[in-house]
Amino acid sequence: AQSVSQHNHHVILSEAASLELGCNYSYGGTVNLFWYVQYPGQHLQLLLKYFSGDPLVKGIKGFEAEFIKSKFSFNLRKPSVQWSDTAEYFCAVNAELSMLTFGGGTRLMVKP
Amino acid sequence: KAGVTQTPRYLIKTRGQQVTLSCSPISGHRSVSWYQQTPGQGLQFLFEYFSETQRNKGNFPGRFSGRQFSNSRSEMNVSTLELGDSALYLCASSLDPGTGLIGYTFGSGTRLTVV
Repeated sequence: AQSVSQHNHHVILSEAASLELGCNYSYGGTVNLFWYVQYPGQHLQLLLKYFSGDPLVKGIKGFEAEFIKSKFSFNLRKPSVQWSDTAEYFCAVNAELSMLTFGGGTRLMVKP
Repeated sequence: KAGVTQTPRYLIKTRGQQVTLSCSPISGHRSVSWYQQTPGQGLQFLFEYFSETQRNKGNFPGRFSGRQFSNSRSEMNVSTLELGDSALYLCASSLDPGTGLIGYTFGSGTRLTVV
């Protein structure tokens, strides 16, 4: 069965700082990878997704993620965060007709 | 096009009661998945339906059940409610996740409180 680990549970950054959130998954086969964001009081929104091709994926709002197959990782990055990026971020994996499995989430707080 | 619609948005029930939650997927989407979100456990997969058939099931007790109708709308039912069932229940729709061609779109959820 697939599983997803997000190592950082809480991250606090100042505006303009760079962000990298870790995500590792365990599954030996082909996977589809996602990052979702949940702003306070709002529903989950898709930030970006990787299915195949270029391992560097660009998403909305300046976010990007890199799929490193050898490390089973799909880390989320943003060069300069804004206060409005304060939210909870979820990494998720979907593999071979199986369900979407989420990591535990990372709460990001950006101080103005 | 309309997004994923979940009803009701909020629900308060007492222990022992049962509850039915509804999810209408995006038009044309045939797959519906249900998740339970709690502060302690995060997002946990309940079940997934595709073309009226349950395709995957998570590790929840039999009190949790679901179904999908021919128009792709889905319902989930929880019987004999327990305090621990208090959570945000999320529904996600997809064209067909098995193709790997598209992600999942989530609804706003139903906030269930069991007292």
